[in-house]
Amino acid sequence: ILNVEQSPQSLHVQEGDSTNFTCSFPSSNFYALHWYRWETAKSPEALFVMTLNGDEKKKGRISATLNTKEGYSYLYIKGSQPEDSATYLCAFEDTGRRALTFGSGTRLQVQP
Amino acid sequence: KAGVTQTPRYLIKTRGQQVTLSCSPISGHRSVSWYQQTPGQGLQFLFEYFSETQRNKGNFPGRFSGRQFSNSRSEMNVSTLELGDSALYLCASSSWTGNTEAFFGQGTRLTVV
Repeated sequence: ILNVEQSPQSLHVQEGDSTNFTCSFPSSNFYALHWYRWETAKSPEALFVMTLNGDEKKKGRISATLNTKEGYSYLYIKGSQPEDSATYLCAFEDTGRRALTFGSGTRLQVQP
Repeated sequence: KAGVTQTPRYLIKTRGQQVTLSCSPISGHRSVSWYQQTPGQGLQFLFEYFSETQRNKGNFPGRFSGRQFSNSRSEMNVSTLELGDSALYLCASSSWTGNTEAFFGQGTRLTVV
């Protein structure tokens, strides 16, 4: 059974704060690490798919880093806005299987 | 282009009944995966279909089954429904051409009473 863990479980920040979340995953049989944003009543939306150790990806105010050797990824949000409020999920994709093993998510609430 | 479409959006069934959920992937996508989310649990992988073949299966009982048609549309069937099957069922499609990004539908909320 693959273990994908995310921390913290939830986070309340003020508008303008910067924040980061952690995703830990198995360091063996790594194929890709996915980050998704899931807003209430919407579909999960892909933020990043990361495949290489040392990968850094950025989309606007959101960025992510990847360390496959030690099995962790960080997601950073700079200058949080209320519209960033959502659950952020990471998912581990292992070699040979086309299945995503999801963490339980970090629920972010940004207060105006 | 149109996104992933799941029907129906909401469903109420009685214990012991069976149910069929449908997923239409993004045009050109040949891989469709199904996930279950129950309260307190993360998204759990059910199975994945590619070109009408089931390639991977999660740890769910045989009551959960699926299929994929030649147009890549997929159906998921749950027989002999139990109260614990109440969940949000999501499907995701991907192109499987190097970029493994998955696109999710809005899900079907199944309630078993």
